Formats: sequence, structure tokens, C-alpha cells
Amino acid sequence: SQQGEEDPQALSIQEGENATMNCSYKTSINNLQWYRQNSGRGLVHLILIRSNEREKHSGRLRVTLDTSKKSSSLLITASRAADTASYFCATGQAGTALIFGKGTTLSVSS
Amino acid sequence: EPEVTQTPSHQVTQMGQEVILRCVPISNHLYFYWYRQILGQKVEFLVSFYNNEISEKSEIFDDQFSVERPDGSNFTLKIRSTKLEDSAMYFCASSETGQGEETQYFGPGTRLLVL
Repeated sequence: SQQGEEDPQALSIQEGENATMNCSYKTSINNLQWYRQNSGRGLVHLILIRSNEREKHSGRLRVTLDTSKKSSSLLITASRAADTASYFCATGQAGTALIFGKGTTLSVSS
Repeated sequence: EPEVTQTPSHQVTQMGQEVILRCVPISNHLYFYWYRQILGQKVEFLVSFYNNEISEKSEIFDDQFSVERPDGSNFTLKIRSTKLEDSAMYFCASSETGQGEETQYFGPGTRLLVL
């Protein structure tokens, strides 16, 4: 079954630095979505990229999608302490279910 | 901005008891979902619901689980006889349509602890 797997599992950076997280999946997809989860809280939708798109921007976020490699990356530029959270990729296929990866835990220190 | 809401935020129950988790999806959305996240693990899909019917369900969603839209605004998940392993964060989500291209918006979750 399709599966999003993030890499790295954990990332620690300083404020102002860029953070890059990667996601790989196994089967063809309709879209790939990135979510953020603050500790013990709900999932906040960040960005959706469709299978026919290669790059998308939203504020300080940049997402790329390479369907030939079945991978996506999330770049957060000029990170802030408030960006500290877990980040998940989730893939959508023909059905309604989103399949989530294990997530990358990002820690941004000031 | 419209958002999905869930109640209660926390629920503690004894093993074997029934629990009902409640959600109010975004008002113009047509598809509703339940996911769960066991502590330290992935978010897992349970079920999707459209037009008063289950649209899709996972292997996790066995006979102990049921969903219902009892009125025009609420969407509920019932666990008939809770087990210890049902302890998890349960997320409700909704989307405008159920097409694969649509964003799913998640609620803040209900943390269920089964003792």
C-alpha cells in the first residue's frame, strides 16, 4: 500500500536557518499534503500539491514533488521558534483516505 | 475561518465501556472522516462518510466502531466496548468533496484513555 515516509525523523536547527524535510511514497498518488502538529495537538494543513504539479509556494513554505522518484520535500525558510512541531506528509490516491507518514520532528532554537 | 470542532477534548473510560466522540465538521463540507493516532505512532485512517453512508473504511474500523450523522451538524464515532488498545488521539476531518485532490481539514482531536 502507498505510504509516506519522512526523512529525517528529527531535525534541530537555529532560528533563521532553513529546514528541509523529505517524504517518500510507494505508489502513484493524486496529491500529497503536508501537515503540522504541535505537541499533543491537532493537525494543521499546510499545503497540498497535486500530482501534475512540481513546485508550490505558500509564504515561507516551498514544496516540491517528483513523481518519477516518488518523493516530495518541504522547505521552511528563515525558521522561527514557533515552527517547532512535527511535520507529516500524507498521500491521497483514488479513495478518500489519506495515508500519513511517521513525521519529522523539527526543533528550532532561538 | 471555519474550522472542525471536536468534543470532548479528553475522555477517560473503563475497558468495556461505550464511548461516543463528537465532531462538528465545516458547514459546507460533504465528506467526513475519522483518524486515530496512537501515542508516538502514525496517524491512521479509520473511516470516511458521505451522504449518510460509509464511503471507505480501514481494517481498524471493525464491528466495535460505528459512525453516525445524527443531525445536520454533528458527526459521531462510537466505540461499543472499549479496549486498552483503543487509547489514542482521535481526529475528525472534513472536506468539500471526497475527491483525491481535496484538502482534508482536521479538528483538534479527542484524547481517549481506556483504563
